[in-house]
Amino acid sequence: EVQLVESGGGLVQPGRSLRLSCAASGFTFDDYAMHWVRQAPGKGLEWVSGISWNSGSIGYADSVKGRFTISRDNAKNSLYLQMNSLRAEDTALYYCAKEGADSSRDFDYWGQGTLVTVSS
Amino acid sequence: EIVLTQSPGTLSLSPGERATLSCRASQSVSSSYLAWYQQKPGQAPRLLIYGASSRATGIPDRFSGSGSGTDFTLTISRLEPEDFAVYYCQQYGSSPRGYTFGQGTKLEIK
Repeated sequence: EVQLVESGGGLVQPGRSLRLSCAASGFTFDDYAMHWVRQAPGKGLEWVSGISWNSGSIGYADSVKGRFTISRDNAKNSLYLQMNSLRAEDTALYYCAKEGADSSRDFDYWGQGTLVTVSS
Repeated sequence: EIVLTQSPGTLSLSPGERATLSCRASQSVSSSYLAWYQQKPGQAPRLLIYGASSRATGIPDRFSGSGSGTDFTLTISRLEPEDFAVYYCQQYGSSPRGYTFGQGTKLEIK
């Protein structure tokens, strides 16, 4: 069974940093691209960042480019999101999501999310 | 960036009825990279349809997807009580590169 478990969320002041983690199990982690998708309270879904299986291809939404860094450790079956210079508009539930097979560019499994609240 | 516009914003139907949800793109989208998700309150999204028309693992056959170019449709043939939720379409584009979601359609019980 595929499992994705996020951690690292919490309350943080504007301008500060936070690092999210996602522990993956139930599939061959280093075969798949992985992503972070967020959802602000009461709002829709927004893709944040994605990373290929070997970290050779990385992408970011314009809203986080230059502030967030995605990475992965295939030996630990883990995905990370380093978030710097946080803003109030980064407040959201952050989901870790696995990309589908054959670079399908969809998200076939999701974690339950970790909540990030940016507020003074 | 490709913008996806879903309509209607809210759809009120009764169990047993047929639901038709629309997703329109601001420019042509590859059918290979158009997906639909269902999200229930307090839950993570669930992949329903990928490649515009292929059902994901475990998805009942009352769910179907169709369309190409800029117009895509998710159809639920006969609504079950558990189908009332928010539905999102999502695309991947290589130029400009990135992933975008529609704003969602809320399917509510009439």
